[in-house]
Amino acid sequence: AQSVTQLGSHVSVSEGALVLLRCNYSSSVPPYLFWYVQYPNQGLQLLLKYTTGATLVKGINGFEAEFKKSETSFHLTKPSAHMSDAAEYFCAVKNNAGNMLTFGGGTRLMVKP
Amino acid sequence: NAGVTQTPKFQVLKTGQSMTLQCAQDMNHEYMSWYRQDPGMGLRLIHYSVGAGITDQGEVPNGYNVSRSTTEDFPLRLLSAAPSQTSVYFCASSYQGGRSTDGYTFGSGTRLTVV
Repeated sequence: AQSVTQLGSHVSVSEGALVLLRCNYSSSVPPYLFWYVQYPNQGLQLLLKYTTGATLVKGINGFEAEFKKSETSFHLTKPSAHMSDAAEYFCAVKNNAGNMLTFGGGTRLMVKP
Repeated sequence: NAGVTQTPKFQVLKTGQSMTLQCAQDMNHEYMSWYRQDPGMGLRLIHYSVGAGITDQGEVPNGYNVSRSTTEDFPLRLLSAAPSQTSVYFCASSYQGGRSTDGYTFGSGTRLTVV
């Protein structure tokens, strides 16, 4: 069975600082990987995804993530945090059959002025 | 363009009561699913459907029933609510029966409290 681990349930950064949210996955086959963002009292929005091809993927709002097969990681980064980035972020992996999206436990990002 | 619509947004039930959470999408998505979100546990799959008339269980199906009579609608039924079902419920949909590389489109959620 596949699984997703997000290190750090809460991450706090200063405005303008680098954002790094960690995600490791387990999957027996090359996975499809996703990052979602959830703002308070809202549903989840897709930030970016990795399917095949280039391992560095760019998403919305200046976020990007790099798929590293050797490390089974898909960490999310943003060079400079903005107050509006404060939200909860979820990493997810889709199984080989494509009928199940497995989520990590989420990381709540706080941005200090 | 409504996307995925969930109703109600909030609900309080007494233990043992039944109710149906509604989910409708207007994107002609074949794949629809229900997740529950609990603190520190991310989202866990309850049931999913790859098309009208086809449903299957996810990770945490006990206590929940689903049916898919149309492409647009995928209701989730709680037959006898329990406090352990207090959670936020999300409906999500996608093209191509879930096999596509697309991410899912999520509804805005239903916050359910069972007392």
